[in-house]
Amino acid sequence: GESVGLHLPTLSVQEGDNSIINCAYSNSASDYFIWYKQESGKGPQFIIDIRSNMDKRQGQRVTVLLNKTVKHLSLQIAATQPGDSAVYFCAENNWSNYKLTFGKGTLLTVNP
Amino acid sequence: DADVTQTPRNRITKTGKRIMLECSQTKGHDRMYWYRQDPGLGLRLIYYSFDVKDINKGEISDGYSVSRQAQAKFSLSLESAIPNQTALYFCATSDHRLAGGSTDTQYFGPGTRLTVL
Repeated sequence: GESVGLHLPTLSVQEGDNSIINCAYSNSASDYFIWYKQESGKGPQFIIDIRSNMDKRQGQRVTVLLNKTVKHLSLQIAATQPGDSAVYFCAENNWSNYKLTFGKGTLLTVNP
Repeated sequence: DADVTQTPRNRITKTGKRIMLECSQTKGHDRMYWYRQDPGLGLRLIYYSFDVKDINKGEISDGYSVSRQAQAKFSLSLESAIPNQTALYFCATSDHRLAGGSTDTQYFGPGTRLTVL
């Protein structure tokens, strides 16, 4: 069936390094993608989104890249900080479907 | 997100009890959702509501019911709680008007940790 998944369940980086979190999706009809951050004991927090008519979008220290050819989404975090430690989820949506489909998450750990 | 609040934040109950989880939002969004989160399974949709008169089942609605009392309030009930309903429950909201009516970003509350003994 259609699904959203992640290549890496865990990622450990040094403070100051750049982080890349990957996500594969299988629904070619998906036209909207979101990255969420979930810190321990909190709800998912919106980070950045991208529509299928774009291949790159930048925010503050974060960049999302979309490769529709291989159905791949990535989140890049520049100069990773200890406060970036969290679980990161990608989610997809499409114009014909009301709901978001979430991946299972990647745990990012930032070592000081 | 402080604009979406959930009560209670933690709840321990016994098998067979009926309980209600409540969600309120001040974002003025029209759509509201209830999810549960289990380790290794991610977020799964229980129910969603596009407006006060529109309530729909999600992928795991069995054993749950909901009520949309007002645009800002959406409650989730467990009619007869069972241990496998132990999970984190999240309420979320979205406003389809912000995204042209086709897609929308969901904003989550802080969650309710429910334990059924």
